[in-house]
Amino acid sequence: NAGVTQTPKFQVLKTGQSMTLQCAQDMNHNSMYWYRQDPGMGLRLIYYSASEGTTDKGEVPNGYNVSRLNKREFSLRLESAAPSQTSVYFCASTTSGSIYEQFFGPGTRLTVL
Amino acid sequence: QKEVEQNSGPLSVPEGAIASLNCTYSDRGSQSFFWYRQYSGKSPELIMSIYSNGDKEDGRFTAQLNKASQYVSLLIRDSQPSDSATYLCAATSNDYKLSFGAGTTVTVRA
Repeated sequence: NAGVTQTPKFQVLKTGQSMTLQCAQDMNHNSMYWYRQDPGMGLRLIYYSASEGTTDKGEVPNGYNVSRLNKREFSLRLESAAPSQTSVYFCASTTSGSIYEQFFGPGTRLTVL
Repeated sequence: QKEVEQNSGPLSVPEGAIASLNCTYSDRGSQSFFWYRQYSGKSPELIMSIYSNGDKEDGRFTAQLNKASQYVSLLIRDSQPSDSATYLCAATSNDYKLSFGAGTTVTVRA
């Protein structure tokens, strides 16, 4: 099992460009999440999908959109990138129920110039 | 105020010593608590979960939970240089979501 995979690993964008970060999991998890991590800020939730067909905003959703394509895949889109979106982005997944143990992908390091 | 607060550190301990990490949370409804380890440039890795008051031991790691005091801790016994990392505390905020602390960086001196 690959667990949680993310593509790309690194990306450099210019201000105003758009891109989609891809995430897939092969653990048959129901819930998936997108976080960003900035120095000294910990992990902040951008969007999550509790189950296939549903998405909800997290703590910092502005400037982002998501799509839960199917049970395995959850993508994050930046429509018009800004330097403030320079960060490391992590995708995570978990089973439903009361456990909430989340498993993380390797991350995407995004720089917006 | 962040929902989960951790000692900002950094915490430096000699090899073989006990490293003690602390975490407090503000949401009294939180039921599940987690410790993640994150090496520099890597993704967070789950190392401990705890759901009820008291201690939970796993190898050299012990997690402690006190819901009345809204306090979670992690002890690392016989610290090794490989334990040098940032440790993230997390608590459930509501259905399906976790709140993370900013992390405590631990350095184990050989």
